[in-house]
Formats: sequence, C-alpha cells, structure tokens
Amino acid sequence: NAGVTQTPKFRILKIGQSMTLQCAQDMNHNYMYWYRQDPGMGLKLIYYSVGAGITDKGEVPNGYNVSRSTTEDFPLRLELAAPSQTSVYFCASKPPGLAGGGDTQYFGPGTRLTVL
Amino acid sequence: KNEVEQSPQNLTAQEGEFITINCSYSVGISALHWLQQHPGGGIVSLFMLSSGKKKHGRLIATINIQEKHSSLHITASHPRDSAVYICAVRGMETSGSRLTFGEGTQLTVNP
Repeated sequence: NAGVTQTPKFRILKIGQSMTLQCAQDMNHNYMYWYRQDPGMGLKLIYYSVGAGITDKGEVPNGYNVSRSTTEDFPLRLELAAPSQTSVYFCASKPPGLAGGGDTQYFGPGTRLTVL
Repeated sequence: KNEVEQSPQNLTAQEGEFITINCSYSVGISALHWLQQHPGGGIVSLFMLSSGKKKHGRLIATINIQEKHSSLHITASHPRDSAVYICAVRGMETSGSRLTFGEGTQLTVNP
C-alpha cells in the first residue's frame, strides 16, 4: 500500500492564481482531512469528509473548497491564492470506528505552498 | 487560550537523558493522541490514549483524565528522537472524529 499520497510536494503561486492540491489514499478509509500547518502553530483543520459525497468545514475553511467523489481521492482547491495561504498542507485519512486503533490518522507527506 | 497546551515549547537534551513532554487540555475528551513530526516534515501517530498508560519501546505515554493532563516520556534518549512531538485531543461531542492539536514541542537530543 502507498498509504496517503499528496501532490505536488512544493508549489509557488502568484496572488490570484488557482490550484488543486491532490490527496489520495489506498487504504479504503472513509474519513479524510485537510490541515494547514503554519510555523510555530498547531495543525488547523480546513475541511474533512466522512465518506464519498460528504464534506464539511473545519476551523479555517475560507478560501478553500473540497470535493469527495470517490473514497480514494480528496482534492483541495484554492481559487484565488493569497499570501495568507502560504503554509504546509497535510492530508490525512482514518478508518471508520474508534476501536482497535481506528482513531489513528495516517498523514500524507505534505505540500509546501508559497504564494507571492 | 488554546484548548490544547504543550510544554515546553522547546527542549534540548543530552543523549541518554530521560525526557518528559507535557500536554494539558481544557475540554472533555474521548481520546488523546501523541504524534511525531520528523525533521523532514512527515507526521506519524505514536499513541492513542483514553485512560492509563501505554508503552512502546522507549516511549511511554500517560493520561490523567481527572486532571486533564497527559505526559510523553522518552527513556534513554537518542539523537534520532529529535523531532516535534504533537499532542492532539478528540472532544466528547466531536463529529467526524476531528482532532484539536497542540502547537508541538521541538525536541533536540545532542550526542
């Protein structure tokens, strides 16, 4: 299993540009999450999904959109990039249920995004 | 005030020392997680706790639900333990099994 994969690893955007951060998992996990990590700050939840076709906002959703058309994929869309969106973005997934380690989230390697 | 507070923010130790990282939280929780973020950025889960104590190799995690406090201990620390250690909690009424994260503790172990 590849686990959770993210592309690209690095990206520089100009203000106002759009892009999609890709996230895929091959573990058949229902739950998927997008986080951003700013220097010296804890991970902040942007959006999450509890299954295909179901998404919901986290703590910091403004400026982002997501979709979940399949169990495997959970792309994050930035429509009009702003310098405040410069951050490291992590995708994570977890299986349903809480017992037997089911509450453990599995993280992708991250995407480092700079908006200039 | 953050829901999850970690201390210290930064910790430097000599190889072989016993290390303790603390985590306090302000809400009722159903589980607490400890995670490790490697210098290259990757994040892995170390422990999930809802009560008591867990041990894995040289790592020990404890939780006191009444005091809303958890500790992560590393025995016989080694330079390869250098990383950011992150505490996260799942609230009692949280939908989607969402976690709230602390800001992390940067640990450096010198040889």
